[in-house]
Amino acid sequence: GIQVEQSPPDLILQEGANSTLRCNFSDSVNNLQWFHQNPWGQLINLFYIPSGTKQNGRLSATTVATERYSLLYISSSQTTDSGVYFCAVYDYKLSFGAGTTVTVRA
Amino acid sequence: DAGVIQSPRHEVTEMGQEVTLRCKPISGHNSLFWYRQTMMRGLELLIYFNNNVPIDDSGMPEDRFSAKMPNASFSTLKIQPSEPRDSAVYFCASSLPGTGVSPLHFGNGTRLTVT
Repeated sequence: GIQVEQSPPDLILQEGANSTLRCNFSDSVNNLQWFHQNPWGQLINLFYIPSGTKQNGRLSATTVATERYSLLYISSSQTTDSGVYFCAVYDYKLSFGAGTTVTVRA
Repeated sequence: DAGVIQSPRHEVTEMGQEVTLRCKPISGHNSLFWYRQTMMRGLELLIYFNNNVPIDDSGMPEDRFSAKMPNASFSTLKIQPSEPRDSAVYFCASSLPGTGVSPLHFGNGTRLTVT
């Protein structure tokens, strides 16, 4: 099956800092999603992004499908951004990466 | 839009008991997915349905696990008999028809503990 690799595995940020999370995938995919799993365990849709760039507030994402990667940008991080960020890709089903654990310190 | 609704939120049971997890997908979504999350294996797809029909159950760990979708608004995941290694968070998710053409929406999950 398709392999999804996320980096870095862990990220510690000071409140207000910017960061970039990366997702690499091993084969062509139909689509890609980014999720945030908050400390209560909820999986929240962030972006549904097969290609191009999208922005939602302080978050933005870029997918370059031809080069098999996607980036998630967090700007002016806040403590509420803490949690695990997952990239998930579709070939015939949704496969998840191992996630990046983000800790934002006040 | 009430989102994907799962019940119960938490389930604690003893080894050997039957466990039934329930899911109500978003209205109009006719693709439904069951995922399991553990520290060791991360998020793994157990089974998915399209128009109430199981399409891929290759992720179901063994015969102790079964899933049904009797109608478009309800699905169950049953474990019988349960074992301690089944302890995990089980998520249900739904999407519009056709995998990959619309985003997946997840429920809040059921945290299962088997003692």
